[in-house]
Amino acid sequence: KQEVTQIPAALSVPEGENLVLNCSFTDSAIYNLQWFRQDPGKGLTSLLLIQSSQREQTSGRLNASLDKSSGRSTLYIAASQPGDSATYLCAVISGAGSYQLTFGKGTKLSVIP
Amino acid sequence: DTGVSQNPRHKITKRGQNVTFRCDPISEHNRLYWYRQTLGQGPEFLTYFQNEAQLEKSRLLSDRFSAERPKGSFSTLEIQRTEQGDSAMYLCASSPGRPLKETQYFGPGTRLLVL
Repeated sequence: KQEVTQIPAALSVPEGENLVLNCSFTDSAIYNLQWFRQDPGKGLTSLLLIQSSQREQTSGRLNASLDKSSGRSTLYIAASQPGDSATYLCAVISGAGSYQLTFGKGTKLSVIP
Repeated sequence: DTGVSQNPRHKITKRGQNVTFRCDPISEHNRLYWYRQTLGQGPEFLTYFQNEAQLEKSRLLSDRFSAERPKGSFSTLEIQRTEQGDSAMYLCASSPGRPLKETQYFGPGTRLLVL
């Protein structure tokens, strides 16, 4: 059974700092990995999707990397802003004909002005 | 493109009552998913439709839960004889159906409170 772990559970940084969020998964046979953002009481916003054959994806100040063999992904946020404060969730599709996302518990990020 | 919509956004009910939620996916998305999220946890998969066919169901989906997607358009999730443990955010997502590029787009969720 696929399990996804995110470290740290919470992170507080001053505005302008670069930061890295970590995600690990137990079964390396994945189709893809997605990073989402969730604001309090709201739904999920997709940030980046990395296919299993890719090593990284970039969107603006966000960069996500994938090391499938070691079961790890990182989300790098450059020059953090207070508006980046949210919970960041990592999720994988494990393949074998299943399209369900398996999520981690998320990292709650607070960017202090 | 108006995104995935869900109704109602909030629902308060008494234990033992039945509730029904509706999800309208992004038009032309043939896959639709239901997830449940409790406080402090990531979403957990419940079930998935490709067009009108329900192809996958989680063990979390007990006999009290039923989902439909008539004509492959909107979907409904019904919970019968609600229990306090059913209190959660119920999230719906849709995707266009391109393997390996399966970005799932989520709706705002329906928050259920069972008293």
